[in-house]
Amino acid sequence: SQQGEEDPQALSIQEGENATMNCSYKTSINNLQWYRQNSGRGLVHLILIRSNEREKHSGRLRVTLDTSKKSSSLLITASRAADTASYFCATDAGGKDSWGKLQFGAGTQVVVTP
Amino acid sequence: EAGVTQSPTHLIKTRGQQATLRCSPISGHTSVYWYQQALGLGLQFLLWYDEGEERNRGNFPPRFSGRQFPNYSSELNVNALELEDSALYLCASSLGQGVTEAFFGQGTRLTVV
Repeated sequence: SQQGEEDPQALSIQEGENATMNCSYKTSINNLQWYRQNSGRGLVHLILIRSNEREKHSGRLRVTLDTSKKSSSLLITASRAADTASYFCATDAGGKDSWGKLQFGAGTQVVVTP
Repeated sequence: EAGVTQSPTHLIKTRGQQATLRCSPISGHTSVYWYQQALGLGLQFLLWYDEGEERNRGNFPPRFSGRQFPNYSSELNVNALELEDSALYLCASSLGQGVTEAFFGQGTRLTVV
C-alpha cells in the first residue's frame, strides 16, 4: 500500500507560472523527501525535510511540512519547460519494519508548456 | 563524483529465465536499496543492504534476492521470471544505516516476454 498520496495527479501550467503539489501520508515519519522523474528514468533527489522542520528552500523549490496534518507541499516557482516530469514524495516512517524503506506516493505529473 | 550506476540499461528475458541486475553506489555510501516500478503499481520497496547484510525486504517472493559485495556494489537476482516482473528496477544508495538522503540510479528496464 502507498504511504504517501500526491495531489493533484496531474498538473498543466505555462512557463513562468508556479506549480504546487501536495503529499499526504498516514503514519508518523522521520523525514520526507521529494523526487523528480523524467520519462520513466531514474529519480532525481530534490529535497529532504526532517520531521522537526517546517519549511525548506532549494533554489526555485520550497517544501513545507505539517506533521499535525501529515502533509507536505512542494512549490516550484517560475516553472520552466525542463521542469516537466513526475514528482514523488517519499516518507521514511522509522521503526524496525520500515528500516531502510522509503514509501512513495503515486506521483504528480507536471507538464510545463512554453 | 559519479552517481549511482546501474547495468544493464535494458534487459529482455524469457519467462522462466533468471535476470541479474547490478548497481554501484556513490563512493562512500554503504547502504543500497532496490525498488521496483511496475506500470500502475508505483514504486515498491524490494530490498535494503547495508555493510554486506540484507537488512530489510519488501513484500516480494523469495525468487527476488540479492547480495552486497565488500565494495558495497550490489546485485539483484530475479529467478523464474514472470511476465509481471516486467518493470523498471531502481537502485539507490545512501550514507550509513537507514534512510537519509537516498540517491537513485537511472534504472534497469526489465522486459519479460
